[in-house]
This record gives sequence, structure tokens and C-alpha cells, in this order.
Amino acid sequence: EAQVTQNPRYLITVTGKKLTVTCSQNMNHEYMSWYRQDPGLGLRQIYYSMNVEVTDKGDVPEGYKVSRKEKRNFPLILESPSPNQTSLYFCASSLSQRPLSTDTQYFGPGTRLTVL
Amino acid sequence: SQQGEEDPQALSIQEGENATMNCSYKTSINNLQWYRQNSGRGLVHLILIRSNEREKHSGRLRVTLDTSKKSSSLLITASRAADTASYFCATDAGGGADGLTFGKGTHLIIQP
Repeated sequence: EAQVTQNPRYLITVTGKKLTVTCSQNMNHEYMSWYRQDPGLGLRQIYYSMNVEVTDKGDVPEGYKVSRKEKRNFPLILESPSPNQTSLYFCASSLSQRPLSTDTQYFGPGTRLTVL
Repeated sequence: SQQGEEDPQALSIQEGENATMNCSYKTSINNLQWYRQNSGRGLVHLILIRSNEREKHSGRLRVTLDTSKKSSSLLITASRAADTASYFCATDAGGGADGLTFGKGTHLIIQP
């Protein structure tokens, strides 16, 4: 089944404790992206990757890192999480290097992160 | 940066009625997409309309696009309880490389 998977789905952690949220897609998509969703703010893009070893900042990259060593995986890393990073995180992928007008983005199920 | 803005923020209607949501955007686009999100879940693509199209249908969904007003509307006819969700419009950012830009969404509640 074509899908985007994220792990963990739920995570409660404490300030400063490094964490990684994994994202994997099995559709051979070039483009992958991370969003955070907060009440009243909608979805905001954190980082995106157009291909292996190519990553770029989105609208809200501060406090986050990503890597794209393999096509299928795009982990999101919080080196020193803070309470303002409490949010619902989504990974998404689409076929081409730059999402064209005809490209649908496929979303993972989300990771709800709470930083105490 | 926010490109699309949905209106209203929330909408509650009776099952069987039609639901209309609007989206306005700021810069020129190639296409506009609508997504649905069930509570706490990932977004699911509904429909895409190209900038040279004015109207598109998919099942009970009807999308219009007015590029002169930089606005789009999503109409759901004969609503069902299962249509309860948040609906987002998303635009490509024109010349940018950051893919789709999403609005804040309209939360639709269908009362049985």
C-alpha cells in the first residue's frame, strides 16, 4: 500500500532532550516535506527536500534539523526541544522534485509532540 | 508564508444541506488544491483546479476558481455526517520552490 509513515505517533518529552521523528514513504517520491500544525495558524512548512542530500528551509525552520540520506526517509530532528515546539507534525511527499501544479501531496498520519 | 485564507473559519450545518467554503489567495498561482483533514489525522487530497479552469466537479464536490478575484470556493452538496472535517486550500507559490502553501482551514461540522 502506498503510504507515508511517521513514528512515533505520540511523544511526550522534556525540554532539552534530543528527539527524532522518522518519516518514510514507499512511493519513490522525490519531494518530501515537514509541516507543523498549530491552532489558529494552520500548516506551516518547516523543511523540505527536493532530492537526496538536498534540503531547504521552509517558513519555520528554527529549532529543527532534517536529513535526506536516502530517498525514502526524511527524519525530523529536534536537538534541544522547547515547549513552543509542542505541536502536531506532518510529513508529506510528492512525486516530482518540485511539487508541480499537478502534484498531490501525500501526508503521513501525524505525530503529536508535547514538550514539557 | 500564508497564501490561502479560508472563510469561514468554522461552519455548522444540518445533514443534507450544502456546505460552501471560500479561499482567497494573494499571489498568482498555477493551480489550487483542496484537502480534507479528519480530526488529528493527515490531510487527504480532494481536488485540483488549474488556473485556466473555472469550475471542476468530483462526486459531490464542486470547486470554482476566479483568478481575477484570487478566490476559490468548495461546495459540498447533500452533506453527510462523514463530511465533518477541516478543509484546506493549498496553492503553489508561483515562482517559489517551497511547494504548496496551505491556508488555516475551515472546520465543517455536519449535524445529524
